Amino acid sequence: DGGITQSPKYLFRKEGQNVTLSCEQNLNHDAMYWYRQDPGQGLRLIYYSQIVNDFQKGDIAEGYSVSREKKESFPLTVTSAQKNPTAFYLCASSGRGEWYGYTFGSGTRLTVV
Amino acid sequence: AQSVTQLGSHVSVSEGALVLLRCNYSSSVPPYLFWYVQYPNQGLQLLLKYTSAATLVKGINGFEAEFKKSETSFHLTKPSAHMSDAAEYFCAVSGGQAGTALIFGKGTTLSVSS
Repeated sequence: DGGITQSPKYLFRKEGQNVTLSCEQNLNHDAMYWYRQDPGQGLRLIYYSQIVNDFQKGDIAEGYSVSREKKESFPLTVTSAQKNPTAFYLCASSGRGEWYGYTFGSGTRLTVV
Repeated sequence: AQSVTQLGSHVSVSEGALVLLRCNYSSSVPPYLFWYVQYPNQGLQLLLKYTSAATLVKGINGFEAEFKKSETSFHLTKPSAHMSDAAEYFCAVSGGQAGTALIFGKGTTLSVSS
């Protein structure tokens, strides 16, 4: 079955560490997205990519980085510059065209310890 | 600029009662509108979407939503709530330009009591 796989499901980060969240899709979707979810704040866009080797910053890109070397993969790195990284991170993908809507992964919960 | 406002961060209903979750949008272009549902510690699942065809849109699990341009609204309804409907619901609007991302509301948590 086609879908989006996020790993790991739970991730713990020490202060000052960089961590990378994985997002892989086998839906042959062109576009991929990363959102951050905090209680009461909905989903906030971190980065998105419409095609391979190209991506754009979202509303809260500071302290995060991404790459899009393959159509299927869009990993997110949470760097030490992100001062409050504890959150639920959601990856999504979409076929080309805004009317598609998104398919979401099951999320990664990142906690700073 | 595109934006979405969900009225009421928490809605409580009894099992069998009408569910009404409110969403108002702002868009500089004809919008595409979506409702998603999220169960605890899971991703979001598409309930339904409006893409400028019929103004009354039917989705999964008995939910439907009506696009009202004059009111800039896209409220989600279900005639009879079920315990399994308890979840968080998000309204989203298209970004306004081709190739931009969806903009989500802050969500409404639906509680269903027996």
